[in-house]
Amino acid sequence: QKEVEQDPGPLSVPEGAIVSLNCTYSNSAFQYFMWYRQYSRKGPELLMYTYSSGNKEDGRFTAQVDKSSKYISLFIRDSQPSDSATYLCAMKDSGNTPLVFGKGTRLSVIA
Amino acid sequence: ETGVTQTPRHLVMGMTNKKSLKCEQHLGHNAMYWYKQSAKKPLELMFVYNFKEQTENNSVPSRFSPECPNSSHLFLHLHTLQPEDSALYLCASSLGQGSDTQYFGPGTRLTVL
Repeated sequence: QKEVEQDPGPLSVPEGAIVSLNCTYSNSAFQYFMWYRQYSRKGPELLMYTYSSGNKEDGRFTAQVDKSSKYISLFIRDSQPSDSATYLCAMKDSGNTPLVFGKGTRLSVIA
Repeated sequence: ETGVTQTPRHLVMGMTNKKSLKCEQHLGHNAMYWYKQSAKKPLELMFVYNFKEQTENNSVPSRFSPECPNSSHLFLHLHTLQPEDSALYLCASSLGQGSDTQYFGPGTRLTVL
């Protein structure tokens, strides 16, 4: 079983839709959860960061962590064509260990 | 811009060539990373440097050779690569090796013919 599972998509939605992106993981020691956004021909940029369980909201973006289910989500409200990108989840434990990434989900928001 | 720059942005090389990728960070970070990104695969961590010392080498073939002369610069020297090494090579930096937030450069798109 891979440490982090993420559906690579592609996912295509109309402008204005609510988008839900998800990752599951197997390592119960993970405590730090991140979502990176990667535009075409660019490097990943940090979009959302969450420690442990709970929700975090930033504008149209909401990150959710359910540690009991080992499941994290990123919701995008009122999606825009500029949200079209690949979204990568990443997570780590509290030790001196590297980030573990999902494969990334490619999202297209159609105007 | 994230404060991490990479050159060149694109590179095409033959299997017998020798080339180098360069990464520079202007964030005052102490840890730097090389990742390989291939289609439909997770980011693969290749090397980690913390305070100029290599701390991780994830079973990377010896045809990839990293160099970190100081905390701001990181190189990846390439020689006798294979076509399957074609990928996007990303450099990242963080405050320290255990830091949870990494900042990525734009990557070098490498094609091996």
